[in-house]
Amino acid sequence: QQKVQQSPESLIVPEGGMASLNCTSSDRNVDYFWWYRQHSGKSPKMLMSIFSNGEKEEGRFTVHLNKASLHTSLHIRDSQPSDSALYLCAASMSNYNVLYFGSGTKLTVEP
Amino acid sequence: EAAVTQSPRNKVAVTGGKVTLSCNQTNNHNNMYWYRQDTGHGLRLIHYSYGAGSTEKGDIPDGYKASRPSQENFSLILELATPSQTSVYFCASGDVDWGGNYAEQFFGPGTRLTVL
Repeated sequence: QQKVQQSPESLIVPEGGMASLNCTSSDRNVDYFWWYRQHSGKSPKMLMSIFSNGEKEEGRFTVHLNKASLHTSLHIRDSQPSDSALYLCAASMSNYNVLYFGSGTKLTVEP
Repeated sequence: EAAVTQSPRNKVAVTGGKVTLSCNQTNNHNNMYWYRQDTGHGLRLIHYSYGAGSTEKGDIPDGYKASRPSQENFSLILELATPSQTSVYFCASGDVDWGGNYAEQFFGPGTRLTVL
């Protein structure tokens, strides 16, 4: 069973709209969550990470984490066509330097 | 920024042949990783290493070997390639931060492998 599940599989939002992506882990040993972005034909690059309960904002991007439910979400406001990409959620455990990735959410921002 | 390079970038191999994918990082990171990416599966971990001379099995190690001869280099070896190993392979490096917490991974550009 995959440790990390993402939803939805794909998402289409209009330019200027809000995109909301979800991620949950089924492993209670997970401590940290990561969001990576991968543009078509490119390699993944880290977008944001979150380790503590609550919210973290960086520009147009906000991540939430609920450690009790092992659920994290990524919200992109004022979405731009350049945000169109595959968004990968990953989880890791303390003292164990391995990332477990979900299958990703393909985001398309339509002009 | 962290630099991870992979070679070759594209490879066509025949079934039963031996394939070696190479990865080099100039960041002096202790940890290196090999993933494969297929549609619908995200990134799946094949092998990883904590330093020169060490290799560990990831989630899908069957049919693959790994070698870490130095801090900078990490290879993935397919002794008997099969069509099911057709995929895009990514190498990554990473380390812990000053507080001992796990830090981000930096990915190479990927190798597209086709096994006929």
